[in-house]
Amino acid sequence: GAGVSQTPSNKVTEKGKYVELRCDPISGHTALYWYRQSLGQGPEFLIYFQGTGAADDSGLPNDRFFAVRPEGSVSTLKIQRTERGDSAVYLCASSYFTARNNEQFFGPGTRLTVL
Amino acid sequence: QKEVEQNSGPLSVPEGAIASLNCTYSDRGSQSFFWYRQYSGKSPELIMFIYSNGDKEDGRFTAQLNKASQYVSLLIRDSQPSDSATYLCAVNSKAAGNKLTFGGGTRVLVKP
Repeated sequence: GAGVSQTPSNKVTEKGKYVELRCDPISGHTALYWYRQSLGQGPEFLIYFQGTGAADDSGLPNDRFFAVRPEGSVSTLKIQRTERGDSAVYLCASSYFTARNNEQFFGPGTRLTVL
Repeated sequence: QKEVEQNSGPLSVPEGAIASLNCTYSDRGSQSFFWYRQYSGKSPELIMFIYSNGDKEDGRFTAQLNKASQYVSLLIRDSQPSDSATYLCAVNSKAAGNKLTFGGGTRVLVKP
């Protein structure tokens, strides 16, 4: 079946601009996660949705970052007033979360470059 | 101290040999442990997960978990050049929510 998809694959923007990154999870997966990965580092957690609600947004670095998942499927990560330090690969993952298992499957990522 | 620690490598392994990767974690409440493989320029791919102490084998991969020592390892038997990648250890604990906490990854180079 289809995996997690993310669009765009690459996004180049100028400092101060607004960007939206989209994630379409694996069909049937109730949990959706956003991570950010900088070069040479492991992914860092940003936010987690269970259904439509953000169950944990403790990883969002500041209030310029916001994410939504209005219908419990597709999610959009929104970054306002982008800064050069926001440049990274933004990864989305989904899982069919149960109390025991939480295997997360990643999409191809969106490479964001802020000039 | 980082929450999840891995040797960054590179770990150089001859083709056909066993690659042994190690990962230590600080949260004693950790319950689920995952190994991801990441090729250069690609996203992480889940290759193994383990929840209980002991060994878990899947093909050429074996994950080993020792919760008392807060240690999880990955063995790759009969290493192939196609195994050359960065291997990420990730840990999940209920207390920390459902997020995964990743180590920095170990780069593995399998030489023909």
